[in-house]
Amino acid sequence: GAVVSQHPSWVICKSGTSVKIECRSLDFQATTMFWYRQFPKQSLMLMATSNEGSKATYEQGVEKDKFLINHASLTLSTLTVTSAHPEDSSFYICSASPGRINQPQHFGDGTRLSIL
Amino acid sequence: RKEVEQDPGPFNVPEGATVAFNCTYSNSASQSFFWYRQDCRKEPKLLMSVYSSGNEDGRFTAQLNRASQYISLLIRDSKLSDSATYLCVVGQGGKLIFGQGTELSVKP
Repeated sequence: GAVVSQHPSWVICKSGTSVKIECRSLDFQATTMFWYRQFPKQSLMLMATSNEGSKATYEQGVEKDKFLINHASLTLSTLTVTSAHPEDSSFYICSASPGRINQPQHFGDGTRLSIL
Repeated sequence: RKEVEQDPGPFNVPEGATVAFNCTYSNSASQSFFWYRQDCRKEPKLLMSVYSSGNEDGRFTAQLNRASQYISLLIRDSKLSDSATYLCVVGQGGKLIFGQGTELSVKP
C-alpha cells in the first residue's frame, strides 16, 4: 500500500533554532501533500497544503514566514519551522494520497518537536 | 460551531461490548467521509471510508446520513486492541477536516 515517510521522528533543540522536517511519498507521486499540527489531547489541525512546483496554501492563522514549505519534487515536501520557540513544540504530521483529492490520506509517522 | 463534532468520550467498555461513535458535520457540501484510528503518540491510520449505503468491515460498521449530516461507527465484540482514539474525518474542498476524536478504552 501507499507509504509516506517522515523524518525526523523526534527533535529536541534550543529556542531560536530552525528545524526542517521531510515528508516523502515512497511508492507514489504526490502533487499535493498536507501538513498538520497536533497539540496534546487535541485533534489534527491542518496548517497548509503543499503544492508541487508552486506556493503552499496556508490555513488562516498559520504564519507562512514562520512555517516555510517547499515541495520541489513529486515525492518530497519539507516543512521548516524557523526560529522555533517553546510554543511551537507539537506533533507535526504530513499526509499524501496517490489518488484524487478527497481520497483517504496516508500519514507519515509524525515528528515530535520539543523546543527548550 | 465546529466543522466536525464527535462524542467527547472517553468510552470505557469491557471486552466483547458493542460501542457506537457519533459524528456530525456542518458543511453540507462535504464530499467524502472517513473514520481514522489514532494510537497514543502515533499517526492516524485509515480505518474505513464511509458511504451513503453504509459499509461493513468485519466487526466495524460505518454509516452516513447526508440529510442529517451524521456519521456513525459501530464496533461489535470489542477487543483490547481496539483501544485508541477514533477520528471522524470529512473531506471538503480538497482538504480533510478532523473531529476532535473519541477515546475508547477496552478493559479485560
